[in-house]
Amino acid sequence: KQEVTQIPAALSVPEGENLVLNCSFTDSAIYNLQWFRQDPGKGLTSLLLIQSSQREQTSGRLNASLDKSSGRSTLYIAASQPGDSATYLCAVLTSGTYKYIFGTGTRLKVLA
Amino acid sequence: DTGVSQDPRHKITKRGQNVTFRCDPISEHNRLYWYRQTLGQGPEFLTYFQNEAQLEKSRLLSDRFSAERPKGSFSTLEIQRTEQGDSAMYLCASSLTVERNNEQFFGPGTRLTVL
Repeated sequence: KQEVTQIPAALSVPEGENLVLNCSFTDSAIYNLQWFRQDPGKGLTSLLLIQSSQREQTSGRLNASLDKSSGRSTLYIAASQPGDSATYLCAVLTSGTYKYIFGTGTRLKVLA
Repeated sequence: DTGVSQDPRHKITKRGQNVTFRCDPISEHNRLYWYRQTLGQGPEFLTYFQNEAQLEKSRLLSDRFSAERPKGSFSTLEIQRTEQGDSAMYLCASSLTVERNNEQFFGPGTRLTVL
């Protein structure tokens, strides 16, 4: 059974810092991994999707990496801004299934 | 707006009442998913449709829950005899099989509060 864990659960940083959010999963037979952002009381916004054959994806100040063999993904946010404050969720699509398994998220607060 | 839409955005109901939520997927997306998210947790899978066929249901989906997707377009999720434990955000997502490895696009969610 696939399990997804995100560390840390919460993070508070001053504006301008580079930061790394971690996601680990127990079953390495994945189809893809997706990072989402969720603002309080809102739905999910897709940030980056990494296919199982890829090692990383980049979008603006965001870079996500994937190491299937170790069951890990990281989301790197460069030069953080107060507008980055949100909960970041990692979701894994295991091979042979159609449902995402989500972690519990990392609540990020970027202080001005 | 061509994204996934959900209606209503918020619903407050009394315990024991029935509620129904609607999801309109991105046009031409053949797969549709329902997830439930409680406070402080990640979303959990409830059910999945490919076109009009409901192909998988989670054990979270008790007998009080029913979902439909007539004609393979919009979907409805009904909860009968609501309980306080049903209070959550209900999220809908859609995807197109042949695009981007089944990337799922999420709607804004329906927040249910059962008093």
